[in-house]
Amino acid sequence: DGGITQSPKYLFRKEGQNVTLSCEQNLNHDAMYWYRQDPGQGLRLIYYSQIVNDFQKGDIAEGYSVSREKKESFPLTVTSAQKNPTAFYLCASSLRDRNEAFFGQGTRLTVV
Amino acid sequence: AQSVAQPEDQVNVAEGNPLTVKCTYSVSGNPYLFWYVQYPNRGLQFLLKYITGDNLVKGSYGFEAEFNKSQTSFHLKKPSALVSDSALYFCAVSLNNDMRFGAGTRLTVKP
Repeated sequence: DGGITQSPKYLFRKEGQNVTLSCEQNLNHDAMYWYRQDPGQGLRLIYYSQIVNDFQKGDIAEGYSVSREKKESFPLTVTSAQKNPTAFYLCASSLRDRNEAFFGQGTRLTVV
Repeated sequence: AQSVAQPEDQVNVAEGNPLTVKCTYSVSGNPYLFWYVQYPNRGLQFLLKYITGDNLVKGSYGFEAEFNKSQTSFHLKKPSALVSDSALYFCAVSLNNDMRFGAGTRLTVKP
C-alpha cells in the first residue's frame, strides 16, 4: 500500500528540547517537503529536498534542521532555537515538480 | 522565489450555485500550478493541475480551473456547489521542485 507516513500524529515537547518528526514515503518520489501550517497563514515552506543528500531552505528554515540520507526518508528536527514551534507540520513528496504532491496526515506539535 | 496569493479568506455560496475561489501567482518562468483541498486535521488532497496546453483544466469532484497567463491567475471553479465541498482550499505554484502555497480560502457551502 503506497503512501507517505508521518509520525507521531501528536507530539508534546518541553521548552528547550529538540524533537524529531518522522516522514517516510514508499512512492519512489524524488522530491520531499516540510511545511508548517498555522491558522490563517496557510502552508509555509521549511525545507525541501530534490535528491538524496541535498536539501534547500524554504522561507522559515531558522530553528529547524533536516537530513535526506535515504530517498524514502526526510526527518525534520525542531530545535530549541525555534521560538514558536507549536504548529501543525505537514510532509509531502512528489515525483518531480510537474507532478502533484502527496501529503502525510500531519504531526501536531505542542510545546508545554 | 515564486509566490501565490489567495485574496479571499472566506467564500460563502449556496448549494447548487456556482463557486469561484481565486488565485494569482508570481513567478519567473513557466510554472506548474495546482489546487489542493484540506479537511480538518488532515493532509492536503490534490484536485487538479495546470502543466501546459488547454487553459481550462478539469479535475476531481467536478472542479475545474482556468489558467490566465496575462492575468497570472488560476481560479478554481465548480458549476454547482455541494455542501460536502465545504473545506479549506489551497492554490500552489511549483518551479524546480520549489513548491509554494497560498494562505488558503475557506469555502462554506450552505444548504
